[in-house]
Amino acid sequence: QKEVEQNSGPLSVPEGAIASLNCTYSDRVSQSFFWYRQYSGKSPELIMSIYSNGDKEDGRFTAQLNKASQYVSLLIRDSQPSDSATYLCAVSKNTGNQFYFGTGTSLTVIP
Amino acid sequence: GAVVSQHPSRVICKSGTSVKIECRSLDFQATTMFWYRQFPKQSLMLMATSNEGSKATYEQGVEKDKFLINHASLTLSTLTVTSAHPEDSSFYICSARTRVGNEKLFFGSGTQLSVL
Repeated sequence: QKEVEQNSGPLSVPEGAIASLNCTYSDRVSQSFFWYRQYSGKSPELIMSIYSNGDKEDGRFTAQLNKASQYVSLLIRDSQPSDSATYLCAVSKNTGNQFYFGTGTSLTVIP
Repeated sequence: GAVVSQHPSRVICKSGTSVKIECRSLDFQATTMFWYRQFPKQSLMLMATSNEGSKATYEQGVEKDKFLINHASLTLSTLTVTSAHPEDSSFYICSARTRVGNEKLFFGSGTQLSVL
């Protein structure tokens, strides 16, 4: 079983719509959760981090964490073509030294 | 957010030569840095975990004598690809962990290595 799983997509949404990206993780001791955006040929960029249950909003981005169900999601409101990228979900645990990444979801926002 | 500087951004070298890539955390101390490689349209692949002042921990299948990692200070880790071959051509990315407040992981801008 993979530590972190994401739907690889591709996910396509029209401009202005809400894009919803989902991620599940296998280990209940996971404590820190991250969403990264990676454009083609570039390195990942941290866009959201979340550490406790509930929602966390930052501009057009909202991260949602549900530890009981072991999932974390990212909502992008008013999607723009510039949001087209691969989104990586990552988790770390309170034991060990590792960050675990999903394989990424490719998002395309259609003008 | 915190800044991680990685140099060079692109390097082209001849087969058999060695290439050094630097990764610096500019505004925080990173006790742990990670090195990844990524092939086009593929996922990040963790190569090694670098802890300041100790030997790096390599992932299975990564040759430690070929990919030399030195984490000599809290702000600098280097990856040296020794005797590079065309199959080593890839996008190499470092990242650094900060634990000031809630932990976060920031990435460098990556190094595109092309071995001729």
